[in-house]
Amino acid sequence: GQNIDQPTEMTATEGAIVQINCTYQTSGFNGLFWYQQHAGEAPTFLSYNVLDGLEEKGRFSSFLSRSKGYSYLLLKELQMKDSASYLCAVRDPNDYKLSFGAGTTVTVRA
Amino acid sequence: KAGVTQTPRYLIKTRGQQVTLSCSPISGHRSVSWYQQTPGQGLQFLFEYFSETQRNKGNFPGRFSGRQFSNSRSEMNVSTLELGDSALYLCASSPAPGDNTEAFFGQGTRLTVV
Repeated sequence: GQNIDQPTEMTATEGAIVQINCTYQTSGFNGLFWYQQHAGEAPTFLSYNVLDGLEEKGRFSSFLSRSKGYSYLLLKELQMKDSASYLCAVRDPNDYKLSFGAGTTVTVRA
Repeated sequence: KAGVTQTPRYLIKTRGQQVTLSCSPISGHRSVSWYQQTPGQGLQFLFEYFSETQRNKGNFPGRFSGRQFSNSRSEMNVSTLELGDSALYLCASSPAPGDNTEAFFGQGTRLTVV
């Protein structure tokens, strides 16, 4: 089975840094994905990690530790437009199916 | 290029009715996946179609079905609707199965069952 956990909500101040953790226990692993979803909009792809380590992409970075079943998404220099839900998903190696966590709603305050 | 188009955007149905949702993928994308999104549950995988064939199916009852046409457009059908089927139904298209980094989601169809 697939078990993917992430916090339900986080609040941070504009300009600050927020780290969204994701832990997973899955029957297989072929990569971890992060998506951003603004209210009423489609999820959009943010990052993909398949090897251990940090992937940096502008203000957003994603880290993976396969041995710990752990990932985090780091959002730096927060902007109001970063207020959204952030979804962690793990890909199955056999069928490439994505299993999602319930999502973390991040609220950025001025 | 045009994104993933889902129709209709909103739908209200009565318990016991059936509903058909449509997803038009990005031009050139041949894989379409469907998800159900509810508060607290996140996205739950329904099924995936590639080249008009169902590749994968999630843990949903047989009331949920789908198909894909030769132009890669996909439909999903839910029969005998229940209140618990109220959700946002999302589809995602990608060039081929496994190309998740190239996958794009539609804005979804919000289904309300009353």
